Order: sequence, then structure tokens, then C-alpha cells
Amino acid sequence: GAVVSQHPSRVICKSGTSVKIECRSLDFQATTMFWYRQFPKQSLMLMATSNEGSKATYEQGVEKDKFLINHASLTLSTLTVTSAHPEDSSFYICSAREAPGDEQYFGPGTRLTVT
Amino acid sequence: QKEVEQNSGPLSVPEGAIASLNCTYSDRGSQSFFWYRQYSGKSPELIMFIYSNGDKEDGRFTAQLNKASQYVSLLIRDSQPSDSATYLCAVSGGSYIPTFGRGTSLIVHP
Repeated sequence: GAVVSQHPSRVICKSGTSVKIECRSLDFQATTMFWYRQFPKQSLMLMATSNEGSKATYEQGVEKDKFLINHASLTLSTLTVTSAHPEDSSFYICSAREAPGDEQYFGPGTRLTVT
Repeated sequence: QKEVEQNSGPLSVPEGAIASLNCTYSDRGSQSFFWYRQYSGKSPELIMFIYSNGDKEDGRFTAQLNKASQYVSLLIRDSQPSDSATYLCAVSGGSYIPTFGRGTSLIVHP
């Protein structure tokens, strides 16, 4: 299957700082990337959908000024958590797909802890 | 509101048995159907996708789709303890934004 990488795998930051997470499709061109958040023992929650070269579409309740998403190329999308707070601590997972309707492949996730 | 429903489980089966996981969806316009496996603390991993009515087999896994009844299922034959995980059903339609179910926890005991 296709490979999606995510970096960093773990990050600990202080409250009020910003954290950037990178998501890369390594062996295919991803026209669409998705960003999810998952709290312990809960289901995946879609945060936003990002198409290359376009502004991201955020799900209801997700603050676009707090979670900045950039999809500048067909292989890279970034999520920046700005002014992070302890309640932002979660498992952030990206996924990518080549074309609409295709299967999506998930990155390994980034575990964010805000102290 | 598009919904994808799964029994949260846990579904417990003995090693070597067939595990049957089910998923129903509300959007009749759904076109693409996916099964993912997620181990605790890890990200989801694609197992299978199916687009047409009927069965699709891949090794020990069989996906079954019935669009008229709006359900999709996953059968795991010869279940192994390593199959113990949460199985997520995902469905997408015209918007191509997948909707995930909450997942079914499967436990395969030796």
C-alpha cells in the first residue's frame, strides 16, 4: 500500500506555544489530505479536509485560526496548532488519497502533549 | 447528517473462528466503502475497500456490500490473536468526504 509519513511522532510543548506537524505522501501524489484528532478510547474526529493549492475546509466546531492547515504541494500538508493549551493534547493523524473516492492512507500519527 | 453505525462490541471470538463485523450507513448515495484496522495507540491501517455489490476477498478477509440494504460487512476467517483491534468502517459518497463509524472492538482469544 501507499506510504504516508508524519513528523514528529511525539511532541511535548508548553502552553501558549505553537507546534507544526508535517504529513507527507511518500510514493504518490495526494490531491487531498485529511487531518483527524483522536482522544483516548474515542473515535476519529475529522478536523479538516485540505486540497492541494486550496484553502482547507474545516469541520464545524474546529477553529481555523487555531489549527492552521497548509497543503502547498501534492506531497506535503502541515498542521500548526497555535497557542496550544492542555486541552489540545491529543493524537493527531493525517491521511492522504490520490483521487476522489479512492482509499485514504493514514500517517502514523503525532501524539501532542501540552503542559 | 450522514451516519455510519457499528456495534462497539467487544466482539469476542476464539482463535480459528470467523469474525463477522457489520456496518450500516444512512446515505443511499454512498459509493465507496472501506474497512480499516486500528490497534490501540496506533493510526488506522487500510484493510479493504469495496465499490460494488457483492463480495470481495483478500486473503483471510472478505468484504460484503449490499447497497439495497445499506450495509457492509467484513469477515475475518481463521481469526488470530493478532487480529485483536478496533475495526473502522468508512463510507463516502458524492462529496468524497469519508464518514467513519465509531469502530467495533474485536478480541480473538487463544
